[in-house]
Amino acid sequence: GAGVSQSPSNKVTEKGKDVELRCDPISGHTALYWYRQSLGQGLEFLIYFQGNSAPDKSGLPSDRFSAERTGGSVSTLTIQRTQQEDSAVYLCASSLSRGSGANVLTFGAGSRLTVL
Amino acid sequence: AQKVTQAQTEISVVEKEDVTLDCVYETRDTTYYLFWYKQPPSGELVFLIRRNSFDEQNEISGRYSWNFQKSTSSFNFTITASQVVDSAVYFCALINAGNNRKLIWGLGTSLAVNP
Repeated sequence: GAGVSQSPSNKVTEKGKDVELRCDPISGHTALYWYRQSLGQGLEFLIYFQGNSAPDKSGLPSDRFSAERTGGSVSTLTIQRTQQEDSAVYLCASSLSRGSGANVLTFGAGSRLTVL
Repeated sequence: AQKVTQAQTEISVVEKEDVTLDCVYETRDTTYYLFWYKQPPSGELVFLIRRNSFDEQNEISGRYSWNFQKSTSSFNFTITASQVVDSAVYFCALINAGNNRKLIWGLGTSLAVNP
């Protein structure tokens, strides 16, 4: 697609429920990132996918968080047994893979999660 | 350690004023890249500029200009003749060459341009 697409744009859930957030990156972008942005805060790295390599999960805050990327394209971030502190905007970004580290990330509009 | 500091949390100006957003970074690497992104109220971060550590030339794009000074580890962003549409949160970020994984982000500066 023309941009990074995320769904749902807004999700309200009850504490303890599981949620899935979806990211559809730009076609041809091999790198995909998930970030979390809490109110008034900067961007917190969660996970990074690069092609067929094992993902970098070092930013996931707990084992309730997991993500997968199927076929090197669409990614799903799953939060199990949601807690109120999980409330945030979850941002997905994709980029072309460049060995120099000069990747320009293209971001989606985010999925706003509210846990009641 | 790598770190990006945006000391200004919030700035409020009146339309047509010039405004400078500060960014100070720390890194031990000699090859790195610096970025500025804009996050308007709609929420989607928009890429503004990328600069590599070997290019200290200042850059101007319309009303936007960037001043990169390695001597002070700063990469400041100036908006000339600000407009209401410039109201947004602006983020500065750093990544070291060869590390594609983690941009190091500042906490952002919220700019309000009032009519």
